[in-house]
Amino acid sequence: EPEVTQTPSHQVTQMGQEVILRCVPISNHLYFYWYRQILGQKVEFLVSFYNNEISEKSEIFDDQFSVERPDGSNFTLKIRSTKLEDSAMYFCASQGGTGESSPLHFGNGTRLTVT
Amino acid sequence: AQSVTQPDIHITVSEGASLELRCNYSYGATPYLFWYVQSPGQGLQLLLKYFSGDTLVQGIKGFEAEFKRSQSSFNLRKPSVHWSDAAEYFCASGGGADGLTFGKGTHLIIQP
Repeated sequence: EPEVTQTPSHQVTQMGQEVILRCVPISNHLYFYWYRQILGQKVEFLVSFYNNEISEKSEIFDDQFSVERPDGSNFTLKIRSTKLEDSAMYFCASQGGTGESSPLHFGNGTRLTVT
Repeated sequence: AQSVTQPDIHITVSEGASLELRCNYSYGATPYLFWYVQSPGQGLQLLLKYFSGDTLVQGIKGFEAEFKRSQSSFNLRKPSVHWSDAAEYFCASGGGADGLTFGKGTHLIIQP
């Protein structure tokens, strides 16, 4: 069964550094998402992406964050200047159909540790 | 705004016993509802979903959930749990461009 893959599985970075989290969604999917899960807390929506632009973003997704689909297969999340509170598990998800009827397929996540 | 509440942070069940995980949602119209499972170090796997129609939905791994509009609930059940069911379970609602709203999760512990 096709799956969403995320790399790296664990990223350690120093505060103030830029990080890029990478995701390869399922190949025929059209909608892409990033979610975040701070340790011990709920999974939170960050951003959705369709047709090469952001569809929606949450309050968490401030100017430090950006997303890109650079080559038609990868879907990246960039954090420009990381803060300690950015330490979390970041999940990428993709969706094939339109609206809420198609389920999201999640990757295994990237654990980001900011020191 | 939508919200999802999972009142139980931890649930301990003996292997072979039945299971019910609670989920309550807050949404004006009929929501789209989901249950996801997260095993340690893994991503979120969809167990089942409800959009409309039959209020009792069957999912993978022997799980089912029942949508009860009068109680704003979408509880997850399994008649007999296995040790491999130990995981974190998330209820979620919504979908579409503005994403899913997740509950805080219920950590399921299976006793031998």
